[in-house]
Parts: sequence; structure tokens; C-alpha cells
Amino acid sequence: GIQVEQSPPDLILQEGANSTLRCNFSDSVNNLQWFHQNPWGQLINLFYIPSGTKQNGRLSATTVATERYSLLYISSSQTTDSGVYFCAVMGGSEKLVFGKGTKLTVNP
Amino acid sequence: ETGVTQSPTHLIKTRGQQVTLRCSSQSGHNTVSWYQQALGQGPQFIFQYYREEENGRGNFPPRFSGLQFPNYSSELNVNALELDDSALYLCASSPGLANYEQFFGPGTRLTVL
Repeated sequence: GIQVEQSPPDLILQEGANSTLRCNFSDSVNNLQWFHQNPWGQLINLFYIPSGTKQNGRLSATTVATERYSLLYISSSQTTDSGVYFCAVMGGSEKLVFGKGTKLTVNP
Repeated sequence: ETGVTQSPTHLIKTRGQQVTLRCSSQSGHNTVSWYQQALGQGPQFIFQYYREEENGRGNFPPRFSGLQFPNYSSELNVNALELDDSALYLCASSPGLANYEQFFGPGTRLTVL
């Protein structure tokens, strides 16, 4: 089945810094989503981005489907950005396959 | 518009017991997927229901079963609970299959003692 790798596994930033999270996948996809998991476990939808570029406030994402990767950019980090960020893809089946996540800690 | 809801929030069971988790899909969504998330891991797909029929299953044993009702809400049943079933169970709904964004509920945290 399709494999999803996220990097880095852990990231520690000072408030105000910028960061880039990467998601590599092993096969073509027809669905790619980025999520932020808060401390209570809720998965918050950030982007639905099987291809192209999207922006939402301080966050933006780019998926280059032909090269099988996606990037999530966080600018001017805030402490509330802390948590785990997941990339999930859907290939030939109907299920989302998740990476192991990037744990982001933003210190004041 | 009401989002995806799940009940209960937390649950403690003992090994060998049976448990039922519930999920109400977002308005207008006919597809529900269930995921299990062990501590420190990404969610793993259990199965999906589309218009009351199972439409795909992950690598989980038959003691994991489910239902979808005419209003598209869903249940996840786990029989003969094992310690390794302790996890966060997440339900997601979408307005269709494949190329639609999935939206997740807050999850049910199951502890098996």
C-alpha cells in the first residue's frame, strides 16, 4: 500500500519563527489533507490539497503531485500552533493513510 | 451546520468485554470512516461505510464490526476487548467517496484494563 513519510519528527521553535513541514508519499494520490491534532486529540482540518498551493492566514501548503510531496508552511509561529501535524493521503482505495506526524513545540 | 460528533468521550472497560462507540456524521455527509489511533502513532483505518454498506476495511480482526444507519450515523463495535485495543477511536465523515475532504469528530478514548 501507499507509504507516507513526514519530516522532521520533532520541531522546537521560538515564537515568531517560521517553519516548513514535509510529507513524502510513495504513489499517486487523489486526496491529500493536512491536520493539526490538538492536545485533546481532535484532528483539525488545515488543508485539502491534492495538488497546487493554498493559503489560510499564517499557514500555507503546496503539493507537487508529480514529485510526490507536500509542504506545510507556518509563518510567525504562536504558542497555540503547538501540537502534532499530520499529513494523510488517499491513493487507489477509499481510506486515508496517515504519516507518523510532526510534533511541533512553540516556546514563548 | 453541526460537525461530526462522537460518544462517549471516554470509556473504561476490562479485557474480554464488548464496547459500542457512536458517531453522528456532519449534515449532508453519507460516508463514515473509523480510525484507531494508538499513543504516539498516526490514525489507522478500520473500515468505512457508504450509504449503509461497508466499503473497505483495514487490517483489523472480525471482532471489530460496524453499522451505518439510514440517517448516516454509525456505530463501531468491538468484541472480546484486548489490552492493545486501548486507543483513541476517531470517526470521520465526508459527502462521498475518494475525492472528498474528510472531517473528524473529537474521538472516543478507550482504556482496556
